[in-house]
Parts: sequence; structure tokens; C-alpha cells
Amino acid sequence: GAGVSQTPSNKVTEKGKYVELRCDPISGHTALYWYRQSLGQGPEFLIYFQGTGAADDSGLPNDRFFAVRPEGSVSTLKIQRTERGDSAVYLCASSPGLGYEQYFGPGTRLTVT
Amino acid sequence: AQSVSQHNHHVILSEAASLELGCNYSYGGTVNLFWYVQYPGQHLQLLLKYFSGDPLVKGIKGFEAEFIKSKFSFNLRKPSVQWSDTAEYFCAVNARGSGTYKYIFGTGTRLKVLA
Repeated sequence: GAGVSQTPSNKVTEKGKYVELRCDPISGHTALYWYRQSLGQGPEFLIYFQGTGAADDSGLPNDRFFAVRPEGSVSTLKIQRTERGDSAVYLCASSPGLGYEQYFGPGTRLTVT
Repeated sequence: AQSVSQHNHHVILSEAASLELGCNYSYGGTVNLFWYVQYPGQHLQLLLKYFSGDPLVKGIKGFEAEFIKSKFSFNLRKPSVQWSDTAEYFCAVNARGSGTYKYIFGTGTRLKVLA
């Protein structure tokens, strides 16, 4: 079956612009996670959803970052007023339930110039 | 705060050598433990997991890991590595009793196996 997909695969934007990153989870998976991964580091937790609601957004670095999952399936990570320090690979993962193994997407490489 | 430590950042082995990668976490309650692998050019995929029961778990491709609660460790092992095991390995912890189901990842160990 289809795995987790993320679009775009690469995004280059100028400092100060707004970006949206999309994640399409595995069908039927109720939990969805967003991570940020910088070079030489492990995935850094940002936020997770159980269904439509954000259950824990404690990893979002500041109020420029926001994520939604309005129908409990596709999720969008939104970054306002991008900064060069936001450059990283943004990973999405879905899971059949909380605490279970995660299935990762290929990531979106964001570059802020 | 919960944390995960992977002390070996880079490991180089010859084919057929034995492998052990360390993973330690800081959380005193009940945990779910995972090892993920990222092969060059591919995305993260599950290698093995521990939820409860037998502390020695077996995963794909001949990997195994042992959960030692008293040491807060979940080390990954393989008796004989192959060139195709060249990849980056990440340990992850989900602290089930902490009130959240977020996962904390270690910084990863980059393994290079020489043919």
C-alpha cells in the first residue's frame, strides 16, 4: 500500500516568506507527527495529532510555526516569516495509534535564503 | 526533560565484524523503545521495537536489541555486519506514562561497513 507522502520534496524560499508543507499519512492511521531534522542530528519532535486535534505541540519552536489536520488525515505545517535557521528537513510520520511504531515520509528539505 | 543518548556517533567496521550501538534514555517510568534505520537516499524505517515482555527483541535483517531497565539502556546488536548495513541508526523512546505520546530521538550513529 501507499506510504506516507510529503510535498514538496524540496522548497527554497526567501527569508521572511510564508511556506506550507504537506503530509499525507497512511490511510487509517490516527496519529500524525511532525519532526525537524538538521544535519548530523536526530529528528526533533515538533507536534503530534491524534485525529484532528493537536495533542502535544510543545516542540514547536515559536509562534511562527503552526500545524493543522482539519479532517484527521492530511496535515499541513505552516511557517510564517521564515528565517535562515528554519532550514532543515521536515519529516512527517504516521502511526496506527499512540505509542506504536511510526512510518516516516521522505521529508521536505526547506532552504531559506 | 526526557532525553536519549547515543554515544557512538560514527562507527566503522569490516564485514563480518560484530556490532553493538549504545542507547541510553532518561525516564524512570514505562517506555516504548525503537530503533530506526536510514539507508543512504532512503527515509527512516523501523528496525525493531520493544513494548513489553521479553527484553531481548529481534528485528529485521538479523538485528536484535536488549532492554535493560536498571541501566535505562536499549542497545542494538548484530553478530555479523554486512556492507549493506551501512546506514544511520537512530534510537527513539516514547515515555508512555509521561502524559504525552511524543517520541524523543537520539542524535544517531552513522555506521560504515567496509567490504
